[in-house]
Amino acid sequence: SQQGEEDPQALSIQEGENATMNCSYKTSINNLQWYRQNSGRGLVHLILIRSNEREKHSGRLRVTLDTSKKSSSLLITASRAADTASYFCAPGSGNTGKLIFGQGTTLQVKP
Amino acid sequence: NAGVTQTPKFQVLKTGQSMTLQCAQDMNHNSMYWYRQDPGMGLRLIYYSASEGTTDKGEVPNGYNVSRLNKREFSLRLESAAPSQTSVYFCASSDQQGPYGYTFGSGTRLTVV
Repeated sequence: SQQGEEDPQALSIQEGENATMNCSYKTSINNLQWYRQNSGRGLVHLILIRSNEREKHSGRLRVTLDTSKKSSSLLITASRAADTASYFCAPGSGNTGKLIFGQGTTLQVKP
Repeated sequence: NAGVTQTPKFQVLKTGQSMTLQCAQDMNHNSMYWYRQDPGMGLRLIYYSASEGTTDKGEVPNGYNVSRLNKREFSLRLESAAPSQTSVYFCASSDQQGPYGYTFGSGTRLTVV
């Protein structure tokens, strides 16, 4: 298993703006997952994109995957104060399902 | 819809004491995991169990032991707690065959004094 590297480490935007965060990884993957963690809580699974998919949507979330560049991006459209959280990517590979998490992107959405 | 349940939610230990963190899931998941999260950092994998009857070390296993008691339960034991083990501990489970990712518990905040 490998760790994803999120970028930027911190992001501050106004409510209503879009937020984009990126994830890079080093070796081939089966899938890539994005998670959200609100302060003091456990991680919540947002979306999983498989290696043969290029884009996936879930509500206001849009995830892209570029396996040639070994990178993924998470776009949150029309952000809300409730989107304030840390966001983690986790590249998935192998048979164990084991995920290694990076340090995440901390998003602050100002009302 | 309990999902993943961790007990206790909070614990204060003295250096050298032992304790067991409990984790149970009701989703019939095969795989279970223990992570720790320190302030301002991501999660680090301590141990995992890919299926009932198996356990393997993660990134930071030293000072911990685990038991996969049955398919539902996966416990983490600190035999002799140290201040460096002060952290928030998260248990998670997953169905490797499905597209739904991990389900996390709400965490155990452990302080070792």
